[in-house]
Amino acid sequence: KAGVTQTPRYLIKTRGQQVTLSCSPISGHRSVSWYQQTPGQGLQFLFEYFSETQRNKGNFPGRFSGRQFSNSRSEMNVSTLELGDSALYLCASSFVGGPENEQFFGPGTRLTVL
Amino acid sequence: AQKVTQAQTEISVVEKEDVTLDCVYETRDTTYYLFWYKQPPSGELVFLIRRNSFDEQNEISGRYSWNFQKSTSSFNFTITASQVVDSAVYFCALSGGWGFGNEKLTFGTGTRLTIIP
Repeated sequence: KAGVTQTPRYLIKTRGQQVTLSCSPISGHRSVSWYQQTPGQGLQFLFEYFSETQRNKGNFPGRFSGRQFSNSRSEMNVSTLELGDSALYLCASSFVGGPENEQFFGPGTRLTVL
Repeated sequence: AQKVTQAQTEISVVEKEDVTLDCVYETRDTTYYLFWYKQPPSGELVFLIRRNSFDEQNEISGRYSWNFQKSTSSFNFTITASQVVDSAVYFCALSGGWGFGNEKLTFGTGTRLTIIP
């Protein structure tokens, strides 16, 4: 069974640009969550999607958005990039969501903003 | 608000020594889950264990064991007879409630464990 895949693995952008990251969950999983990991703030929850609906959202500005497609694949978008957006972005999938179901994490996308 | 504290930023031990990673949590929820994840240099978070707030039994899985104590709000992780492959950053995490909408994990700042051969 293939794990969670994230593309691209590495990305370099400049301030002001926008970026789209992609996450393909494990086959059959319908819940996808996104996390940002930085040295300063650690791992922080961005949002969670289930059946194309955002169910939960963390404390991030509106520049951070996401969506989920009917095949459960998810994308997150960051507009007007800032230097502080440089981070490892991790996505996690689970069968139906809820903390009682294990979340499987992908390898992450490392975004560098210059 | 939920909070997870991992006071040990970095730990180094010699191979085959035992090591305990501390985790203290704060939550107002009566129902919650605690987790430990391992993050090797590749970056992927690897699930190690999940515990719900009603189950205080200690758990052992091979060289790994976990001690959950609600009285002290702690969920400590011990590696027995450490190996070089155990070198990684370990995160303790907390989520609240049951069911949908409670997927959000609140992570501690992590403990970087280095096993010296």
